Amino acid sequence: DAKTTQPPSMDCAEGRAANLPCNHSTISGNEYVYWYRQIHSQGPQYIIHGLKNNETNEMASLIITEDRKSSTLILPHATLRDTAVYYCIVRSNSNSGYALNFGKGTSLLVTP
Amino acid sequence: DTAVSQTPKYLVTQMGNDKSIKCEQNLGHDTMYWYKQDSKKFLKIMFSYNNKELIINETVPNRFSPKSPDKAHLNLHINSLELGDSAVYFCASSQDVWRGAQETQYFGPGTRLLVL
Repeated sequence: DAKTTQPPSMDCAEGRAANLPCNHSTISGNEYVYWYRQIHSQGPQYIIHGLKNNETNEMASLIITEDRKSSTLILPHATLRDTAVYYCIVRSNSNSGYALNFGKGTSLLVTP
Repeated sequence: DTAVSQTPKYLVTQMGNDKSIKCEQNLGHDTMYWYKQDSKKFLKIMFSYNNKELIINETVPNRFSPKSPDKAHLNLHINSLELGDSAVYFCASSQDVWRGAQETQYFGPGTRLLVL
């Protein structure tokens, strides 16, 4: 799986959009970009994933650059409950058993 | 109803003891996983089972033995517990491992193991 790079921490004011970047410059054509988050003392939670096109669901939007070397997770109106560690993960079908390879993630703090 | 549940939530035990952690999923999924999150918060895969068959066995001491009595359950038994086993253990499940990179995993709440 391609390696990902994320900033270690970010702050966001409540009600504003949180834009979390992820660099995956070595991504290959069959690799998906996944985002999970882990709220303190809870298990990781799936947010969204995509291959080439931008994606949106009830939780967030995922913007993938045309060259697929980076992506941005957007939480449109961050709330205090969005404070968590956000993990950007690149996955391919070649990963035996398809386990998730979590990195260090970005610790997002949403402030009042 | 909780989709992926684990018991116990907390486990405090002495070195050398044998303990088990249970995991159940009611999502009808075929694949289940065990992950370990250490004190530095790194999450790493330990095991993966598909239809009760082992498909991932990472470099984990053989003191750790997963057991899957049926597709809905994947238990983790740990023999001769050591101080370094202290961590949070997460169970997860996904619909079907054969969809590969499109497969979404759903995690349980974790079991916090402390070995004294």
